[in-house]
Amino acid sequence: AQSVTQPDIHITVSEGASLELRCNYSYGATPYLFWYVQSPGQGLQLLLKYFSGDTLVQGIKGFEAEFKRSQSSFNLRKPSVHWSDAAEYFCAVGVPNQAGTALIFGKGTTLSVSS
Amino acid sequence: DSGVTQTPKHLITATGQRVTLRCSPRSGDLSVYWYQQSLDQGLQFLIQYYNGEERAKGNILERFSAQQFPDLHSELNLSSLELGDSALYFCASSVGVGNSPLHFGNGTRLTVT
Repeated sequence: AQSVTQPDIHITVSEGASLELRCNYSYGATPYLFWYVQSPGQGLQLLLKYFSGDTLVQGIKGFEAEFKRSQSSFNLRKPSVHWSDAAEYFCAVGVPNQAGTALIFGKGTTLSVSS
Repeated sequence: DSGVTQTPKHLITATGQRVTLRCSPRSGDLSVYWYQQSLDQGLQFLIQYYNGEERAKGNILERFSAQQFPDLHSELNLSSLELGDSALYFCASSVGVGNSPLHFGNGTRLTVT
């Protein structure tokens, strides 16, 4: 079965600094990969997704993620963090073309932004 | 706004009681998923319905059940509630079955006292 690990529980970044959130997955082939963001009291919002093709994926709010098959990773990056980016970020994995399965989420990384 | 509507937003009830959480998916989405979010377990997949039929089951307790109605809205029924059932329950919807992106509602916060 597939699984997702987000090694960092909490990260603090200065406003304007760059950000990288780590995500490692376990699956025998190339899975579908997603990053979601959750603001306090809100549901999860899709930031970006990877299905196939170009391994560098652009998302909303200036985020991007890179799929690295050799490292089983799908790290999320942003060149310059804004205070409004403070939230919890979830990486998720899905099995391609398989009906009857759901996304499996990592435990999340909480991002704090300092001024 | 994701287009997924969950009611109620908050629910406070006592142990042993039964509650029903409701979800209306995004217009055009046929799949509905239920997730439970707690501090210790994170986001746990409970169950998925597609066009009225159960398609996948996750870590759903026997005390919990769900259904999807002909108008595609879904209800999650939680019975014999325990303190440990206190959590945020999310509904998500998607167009298809095979891992198309999920769109989440804002959740129902359940507190069992």
